[in-house]
Amino acid sequence: AQSVSQHNHHVILSEAASLELGCNYSYGGTVNLFWYVQYPGQHLQLLLKYFSGDPLVKGIKGFEAEFIKSKFSFNLRKPSVQWSDTAEYFCAVSGNRDDKIIFGKGTRLHILP
Amino acid sequence: DSGVTQTPKHLITATGQRVTLRCSPRSGDLSVYWYQQSLDQGLQFLIHYYNGEERAKGNILERFSAQQFPDLHSELNLSSLELGDSALYFCASSVVSAGYNEQFFGPGTRLTVL
Repeated sequence: AQSVSQHNHHVILSEAASLELGCNYSYGGTVNLFWYVQYPGQHLQLLLKYFSGDPLVKGIKGFEAEFIKSKFSFNLRKPSVQWSDTAEYFCAVSGNRDDKIIFGKGTRLHILP
Repeated sequence: DSGVTQTPKHLITATGQRVTLRCSPRSGDLSVYWYQQSLDQGLQFLIHYYNGEERAKGNILERFSAQQFPDLHSELNLSSLELGDSALYFCASSVVSAGYNEQFFGPGTRLTVL
């Protein structure tokens, strides 16, 4: 069955700390991978996506993610977080011919000023 | 602003009632997706329409139904409402129906069933 697992439900960091949010997926076939972010009171928006090519993907606001096929993982990273990164982060997977995206349950990130 | 609009923003109703949520996709987008977001279940895919036709169903209850109209806006109908249906309902749109396409999300409709 298709699924996405996000390792941490809640993460608290201080400003300038490094961030890594884990994401593992279960899916047969070619995958497309996404990280979406939901800032407090706002709608979901795309942070970055992987379709093919370089497995290290750079997104907006200094975020990046690495697709490791052998580990079925797509972890999100940022070297130095800011208070404004406080949000909920969702990892998602789809197939090329899929008509749906499967989302993980999300990770709530709190950055302490 | 993603360009996807949803109305109403908030909806409070009683158990057993029926409500309709509306979504207008971004200009030019043919695909509309509906999601339910709750604290315990996370973000659950409900249903996908492409150019008026149903393309995929997820964890959508039989009490729920949706349609996409010729002008491409979509409506999600929820009937015989239960307390557990209280959630945030998002719609998203994309240009075409393919897994590699980014979906653009609307602001959501918060449904409270009392």
